Amino acid sequence: QVQLVQSGAEVRKPGSSVKVSCKTSGGTFSNYALSWVRQAPGQGLEWMGGIIPLLGTTHYAQRFQGRVTITADEFTSTAYMELSSLRSEDTAVYFCARVDSSSLRYFDVWGRGTLVTVSS
Amino acid sequence: QSALTQPASESGSPGQSITISCTGTSSDIGSYNLVSWYQQYPGKAPKLMIYEDSKRPSGVSNRFSGSKSGNTASLTISGLQAEDEADYYCCSCATSSTVVFGGGTKLTVL
Repeated sequence: QVQLVQSGAEVRKPGSSVKVSCKTSGGTFSNYALSWVRQAPGQGLEWMGGIIPLLGTTHYAQRFQGRVTITADEFTSTAYMELSSLRSEDTAVYFCARVDSSSLRYFDVWGRGTLVTVSS
Repeated sequence: QSALTQPASESGSPGQSITISCTGTSSDIGSYNLVSWYQQYPGKAPKLMIYEDSKRPSGVSNRFSGSKSGNTASLTISGLQAEDEADYYCCSCATSSTVVFGGGTKLTVL
């Protein structure tokens, strides 16, 4: 059974950065693309971007371009999402989600989420 | 890209059927088999319920079905049960380029 295990909650000050990890266990890491989706308190889901570890390619949502960096370490089967220049509106739960390997058209496995709180 | 349009809330009584709509454009919903649906309970991660417009993953009840007509996708839940009370999100998930979610629909089972 594939699981995505995310790092713990973080508290950051405005203007700083945060890096959240997502480790794949029970499956082959490099065969799948991974995306990051966030959810602000009481709000809906918002896609931030994704990575295809096998190819090393990344795609980012336009509104996060320049502020988000998604990377992957095949040796540890871990993906990372780093968000910089944090502001209070970035307070949210950040989920990693595995993309299906055949069509690349849906998220079939999700991590439990990591709460990032941005507060002075 | 704008979020897909979903009703903020829907409700139904146990045993009834309800349909949640998701409206987009020809660039997202209207494109080839990109729609998926996710169920989310409070404080939990989303769960895949429907993919590629109308396919159901193994383990998901056959009470859940998906369809699409033009630029509008729909999720139908038949034989409504108390455990179906949750938030539902549609997604136009072209993960190699652009992913857009709907605003979410809160389903209440009366």
